[in-house]
Amino acid sequence: KQEVTQIPAALSVPEGENLVLNCSFTDSAIYNLQWFRQDPGKGLTSLLLIQSSQREQTSGRLNASLDKSSGRSTLYIAASQPGDSATYLCVPGNSGYALNFGKGTSLLVTP
Amino acid sequence: GAVVSQHPSWVICKSGTSVKIECRSLDFQATTMFWYRQFPKQSLMLMATSNEGSKATYEQGVEKDKFLINHASLTLSTLTVTSAHPEDSSFYICSQGGGNYEQYFGPGTRLTVT
Repeated sequence: KQEVTQIPAALSVPEGENLVLNCSFTDSAIYNLQWFRQDPGKGLTSLLLIQSSQREQTSGRLNASLDKSSGRSTLYIAASQPGDSATYLCVPGNSGYALNFGKGTSLLVTP
Repeated sequence: GAVVSQHPSWVICKSGTSVKIECRSLDFQATTMFWYRQFPKQSLMLMATSNEGSKATYEQGVEKDKFLINHASLTLSTLTVTSAHPEDSSFYICSQGGGNYEQYFGPGTRLTVT
């Protein structure tokens, strides 16, 4: 069974900082890896999808890298803003769809 | 990405009653939809995979007779919690499978059973 660990579990930073969120997973035989954000009491918003053949994906201030062989992914958030406050989830997909959720990293960006 | 809606967004029901939650794909035909449950401060847990026109596949430990899933069209999947109990109180989220195995999530339904 795929196990997902995200470090740190919680993070509080002043706005403007560049952030690094780390994710590790135990089964490297993945099809893809998806990063989501979840706001309190809300559903999930897809941020980035990295196929297993790719090394990274970028969207605006977000950049995600994937090292499939070592079971690691990193999400970089540049110039953080209070609106970035949310829980960030790294979700590797072993059988096509990403179905393995950890507890995520809870991020608070203070003004 | 695709837009997924859920209805209702929150519901309170009495113990022993049944509740139906709808998951609707607004702009994409979804042959596969997923139902998750999330308890406070816990991870999302996959309950079942819903395939249009066929029976849902349930995860181990999820009672298929209690959580009835119907995926009768390419745009609608429903989850019915039958004979609800307080321990069924949770946040239920559906997602739709898209191209490249991307998933699009609905906004979730907060169920409280009293």
